[in-house]
Amino acid sequence: GESVGLHLPTLSVQEGDNSIINCAYSNSASDYFIWYKQESGKGPQFIIDIRSNMDKRQGQRVTVLLNKTVKHLSLQIAATQPGDSAVYFCAEIGAGGTSYGKLTFGQGTILTVHP
Amino acid sequence: GAGVSQSPSNKVTEKGKDVELRCDPISGHTALYWYRQSLGQGLEFLIYFQGNSAPDKSGLPSDRFSAERTGGSVSTLTIQRTQQEDSAVYLCASSLSGAGQGRDQPQHFGDGTRLSIL
Repeated sequence: GESVGLHLPTLSVQEGDNSIINCAYSNSASDYFIWYKQESGKGPQFIIDIRSNMDKRQGQRVTVLLNKTVKHLSLQIAATQPGDSAVYFCAEIGAGGTSYGKLTFGQGTILTVHP
Repeated sequence: GAGVSQSPSNKVTEKGKDVELRCDPISGHTALYWYRQSLGQGLEFLIYFQGNSAPDKSGLPSDRFSAERTGGSVSTLTIQRTQQEDSAVYLCASSLSGAGQGRDQPQHFGDGTRLSIL
């Protein structure tokens, strides 16, 4: 079936470096994407979203890039901090003509930031 | 409250018992979702509510699972005759509107109920 997946299950960076987390999706009908951050013992926390009519969106220290040609999504975190250490999930909405906001999640990438 | 609230935060019960999990969505959010997350895994969709109705129950794993929502607000997920494979974190999310043009709304999650079946 359709799925949203991540290229790298783990990513380790030094504090202050930029981080890039990647996500591949298989359904070209997907039209809305969200990145979530999940810390241990917590629920997923909304980071940033992007619609398919955009290829880039920026937030505070984060940027999401969408390449519809290759069905690839990435999350860039600038000046990564130890507090950014968490599991990051990409999620897709609207696949296959779904008329409501059912999310399909990838498996997650563990980001570890070393001081 | 300011965010999605779930209770209890942890639940340990014996196999065969029934459990009820509660979700208080963000005030004013008409769409409510239940997901399940097994250890180290992504989230698995269970059920979607728009108001008090559940247009999509397709993610419920078996007929032991049911959910209801009253007053367009609080939702309860019930698992009957629990099995060990039901052990997981059950997460609830809400959004302003889930359907039609409003479906592209960020879902905001609670911290979940960690269910352990002995």
